[in-house]
Amino acid sequence: KAGVTQTPRYLIKTRGQQVTLSCSPISGHRSVSWYQQTPGQGLQFLFEYFSETQRNKGNFPGRFSGRQFSNSRSEMNVSTLELGDSALYLCASSPVSGGANEQYFGPGTRLTVT
Amino acid sequence: KNQVEQSPQSLIILEGKNCTLQCNYTVSPFSNLRWYKQDTGRGPVSLTIMTFSENTKSNGRYTATLDADTKQSSLHITASQLSDSASYICVVSAYTNAGKSTFGDGTTLTVKP
Repeated sequence: KAGVTQTPRYLIKTRGQQVTLSCSPISGHRSVSWYQQTPGQGLQFLFEYFSETQRNKGNFPGRFSGRQFSNSRSEMNVSTLELGDSALYLCASSPVSGGANEQYFGPGTRLTVT
Repeated sequence: KNQVEQSPQSLIILEGKNCTLQCNYTVSPFSNLRWYKQDTGRGPVSLTIMTFSENTKSNGRYTATLDADTKQSSLHITASQLSDSASYICVVSAYTNAGKSTFGDGTTLTVKP
């Protein structure tokens, strides 16, 4: 099976712009979770989608949003970018909902905000 | 509050040596504990996953142990290789709170020739 794929791998945006990141889970996986990782910080949970519904949400401002399509692919959107949004954004897929199950991570999208 | 603490924060060892990384948690009720390896700029890759009834699990040169009574886990790396240089992340999940996972901040391991 192909692994989790994320596009684009690298992105440079200017403060105030918006960005959309994409994640394609492993075939058959219906859960997609998004994480933010900044230098020196652990993974911070953004949200989880399962069967096109948001199941869990972390403590991030409303500028961070996401959605999931019927084929389980997911997108994450960040509006009004701030310098502090520069980070590695990871998505992880799982067969079932809930972070207690084994998660398979993608390679990440490196976002740089200037 | 659910917490996962890893130690040491960073570690430097010589190639061929063994090392042990620690993970202490307060997550309750416990569901499972996972160790991930994350190379710089890449996504984490699963090494082991242990449930309450398992106290040891191996994956090649990686051996994880779990003491559910003391809420401690360790990851032992045997005969280290340069490719073991990475961040090692401990993740603990609970049965409640929709099984939300709590991530440790990771231990950065550097293996030198």
